[in-house]
Amino acid sequence: DAKTTQPPSMDCAEGRAANLPCNHSTISGNEYVYWYRQIHSQGPQYIIHGLKNNETNEMASLIITEDRKSSTLILPHATLRDTAVYYCIVRVNFGNEKLTFGTGTRLTIIP
Amino acid sequence: GAVVSQHPSWVICKSGTSVKIECRSLDFQATTMFWYRQFPKQSLMLMATSNEGSKATYEQGVEKDKFLINHASLTLSTLTVTSAHPEDSSFYICSARAEEWGTEAFFGQGTRLTVV
Repeated sequence: DAKTTQPPSMDCAEGRAANLPCNHSTISGNEYVYWYRQIHSQGPQYIIHGLKNNETNEMASLIITEDRKSSTLILPHATLRDTAVYYCIVRVNFGNEKLTFGTGTRLTIIP
Repeated sequence: GAVVSQHPSWVICKSGTSVKIECRSLDFQATTMFWYRQFPKQSLMLMATSNEGSKATYEQGVEKDKFLINHASLTLSTLTVTSAHPEDSSFYICSARAEEWGTEAFFGQGTRLTVV
């Protein structure tokens, strides 16, 4: 699986959009970009994933650059409950492919 | 999304004893389950992958005789930490995947193991 690079920490004001970047310059053509988050002392929660098109769901939007070497997860209106560690993972999308977690970004939402 | 439940949420045990952690998929059949371990302020580290009815595949450096994994049914996998020692104290998390839900993995809430 391709390696990802994320900033170790970020702050965002409550109510503002939180934009979390991820670099995956060695991503290959059949690898998807996945985002998970982990709230303190809980299991990770799936957020969103995409291949090359931008994706949106009820939780977030995922913007993938045209060359697919980086992406941004957008939480449109951050709340205090969005404080968590956010993990960007790239992997192929078939079979029993395992998820390999990096160090992630610790996002703190400030009141 | 699919629900994965772990039991217990936390456990304290004496050094030298064994502890069993259960991971259940509540509303789907999990063909594959994964077990992770997470030490404080660190990321999740994959320990093993298990498929229903077959032996688990362990990651390099994980002792298969110490961390026994059983995936006897499509809704239940268990992790038994045998002869636990204080250094085994950690947060253990399982995840499960089912074909009907695509390839996203859904995670349990985790089990905090403290060995004293």
